[in-house]
Amino acid sequence: NAGVTQTPKFQVLKTGQSMTLQCAQDMNHEYMSWYRQDPGMGLRLIHYSVGAGITDQGEVPNGYNVSRSTTEDFPLRLLSAAPSQTSVYFCASRSSGTEQFFGPGTRLTVL
Amino acid sequence: TQLLEQSPQFLSIQEGENLTVYCNSSSVFSSLQWYRQEPGEGPVLLVTVVTGGEVKKLKRLTFQFGDARKDSSLHITAAQPGDTGLYLCAGYNAGKSTFGDGTTLTVKP
Repeated sequence: NAGVTQTPKFQVLKTGQSMTLQCAQDMNHEYMSWYRQDPGMGLRLIHYSVGAGITDQGEVPNGYNVSRSTTEDFPLRLLSAAPSQTSVYFCASRSSGTEQFFGPGTRLTVL
Repeated sequence: TQLLEQSPQFLSIQEGENLTVYCNSSSVFSSLQWYRQEPGEGPVLLVTVVTGGEVKKLKRLTFQFGDARKDSSLHITAAQPGDTGLYLCAGYNAGKSTFGDGTTLTVKP
């Protein structure tokens, strides 16, 4: 099993550009989440999904959209990138338990 | 909003020393988890504690969940350079996890 995979690993955007961060898991987990991690801070929840077709907002959802058309994939879309969105983004998945499995992260810089 | 405060934020010690990291909240959690994160990687689960007063041991690491399920501690005995990393606590309620800001531990040989 590959676990949770994320692409790209690094990305540089200009202010106003849009892009999609990809996340996939091969563990048949129902629950998937997106977090951002800023220096000196823990992980803050952006959006999450409890199953295909069901998504909800987390703590910091503004400027981000998600969709969950399949169990495996949970892409995160930045509609119009801003410097405040410079961060490291982690995708995570879990089954019905509480242990989350994290991907390796996407390091995003917005100029 | 449920907040988790971790202390200390940074900790630099010599190999062989003992240390304790604290995770405190005013909220009650149904369970609490400790993760360890290395540079350039995602967090990896170390332990989940569920019952108030529960103590779990993982080799040289001892985790305790407070009686009221609002706080937790991580104690490392005889720290080694391989313990270096970012330690994160996460409280779990209603399908979502709230993370603390983390404790960056450096163990010098």
